[in-house]
Amino acid sequence: AQSVTQPDIHITVSEGASLELRCNYSYGATPYLFWYVQSPGQGLQLLLKYFSGDTLVQGIKGFEAEFKRSQSSFNLRKPSVHWSDAAEYFCAVGGGGTDKLIFGTGTRLQVFP
Amino acid sequence: DTGVSQDPRHKITKRGQNVTFRCDPISEHNRLYWYRQTLGQGPEFLTYFQNEAQLEKSRLLSDRFSAERPKGSFSTLEIQRTEQGDSAMYLCASSPHFRGANYGYTFGSGTRLTVV
Repeated sequence: AQSVTQPDIHITVSEGASLELRCNYSYGATPYLFWYVQSPGQGLQLLLKYFSGDTLVQGIKGFEAEFKRSQSSFNLRKPSVHWSDAAEYFCAVGGGGTDKLIFGTGTRLQVFP
Repeated sequence: DTGVSQDPRHKITKRGQNVTFRCDPISEHNRLYWYRQTLGQGPEFLTYFQNEAQLEKSRLLSDRFSAERPKGSFSTLEIQRTEQGDSAMYLCASSPHFRGANYGYTFGSGTRLTVV
């Protein structure tokens, strides 16, 4: 079955600390992978995406993610978190001829000053 | 172009009533998608259009749900005989037709439905 797992429901970090949000996927075809961010009461904003090529992809707001096929993972990282990064983060997978995305359940990030 | 617009932002309705939501995509985007997001969950696919053609529907889209995009521009999502389980955020997204979902959607801010 196709699925996305985000093992961490809630993460708390101090401002300036590094961040890694985990994402594991199960997908029958070559996956296209995405990270989206959602602020309270808002829609989702695309942070970055991976289709092929370099397995380390850069996104907006200083985020990056690394695709590891052997681990079926696509973890999101940021070297220094800002208070404005507090939000919900969703990993998603698509591809294989379908035009829909499968989302994980999200990780809520809280940032302490 | 101000992005994907959804109206209304919030809707409270009594169980059994019908509701309709509207989505205006980015003007040059041919593909339009509807997703539903319940509390504590990620968005779940409902349906999508290329121009006015509805190309795929999820099993989540019961016969009480209907979506249209009559002129290939804005879209409406109607829920008939609402139930409390329909309470959710309904998200609309659009993308250029030649890339679709794999390009990455642009989402609207959503319509939050509360059924009382």
